[in-house]
Amino acid sequence: EVQLVESGETLVQPGGSLRLSCAASGFIFSSYEMNWVRQAPGKGLEWLSYISGSGDTIYYADSVKGRITISRDNAKNSLYLQLNSLTTEDTGVYYCARDWVTDTTNWFDPWGQGILVTVSS
Amino acid sequence: EIVLAQSPATLSLSPGERATLSCRASQSVSKYLAWYQQKPGQAPRLLIYDASKRATGIPARFSGSGSGTDFTLTISSLEPEDFAVYYCQHRYNWPTFGQGTKVEVK
Repeated sequence: EVQLVESGETLVQPGGSLRLSCAASGFIFSSYEMNWVRQAPGKGLEWLSYISGSGDTIYYADSVKGRITISRDNAKNSLYLQLNSLTTEDTGVYYCARDWVTDTTNWFDPWGQGILVTVSS
Repeated sequence: EIVLAQSPATLSLSPGERATLSCRASQSVSKYLAWYQQKPGQAPRLLIYDASKRATGIPARFSGSGSGTDFTLTISSLEPEDFAVYYCQHRYNWPTFGQGTKVEVK
């Protein structure tokens, strides 16, 4: 069974940094592109970042560019997210999502269960 | 940036009724559009990809149509477990999502 499990700090101070991990199992992790997506409380979904299977290709959303770093350790079947200079606007549920490659393009499937990160003093 | 506008924001229906959800893109995304279902406290789940293809395990009552800028998700007969929020998403360049349509019990 494919599983993605997020973990990390759930309460972070404004101005600080968050570092999240996503542990993958049930598939050959290095063969899949991965993403981070977040959801502010009561709001919609916002894609944050993409990383290729090898880690050589990375994309970031303009909304967080300059503050965000995505990385992966294929030996540990793990995906990481670091987000710096946090504000209350960064509060939300953070999901890791695998890219599922079709004949045409990629879609997010499956998703982890998500981790709620609260930015507050 | 391609903006996806979903309508209506909320759809109030009874079990057994037909649900029709709309997603309009600010410019053509060809057929590169997906629909996700999200229930409270859960992660989104892929329902439809490439505008009209059902993902693995998705019941036949879910169908998608459209291309270019106008897309529709149809649930032919609502089951109790279908009451949720539905998001469209494109992958034409970098991914963006619509703001969601909540299907609630009337």
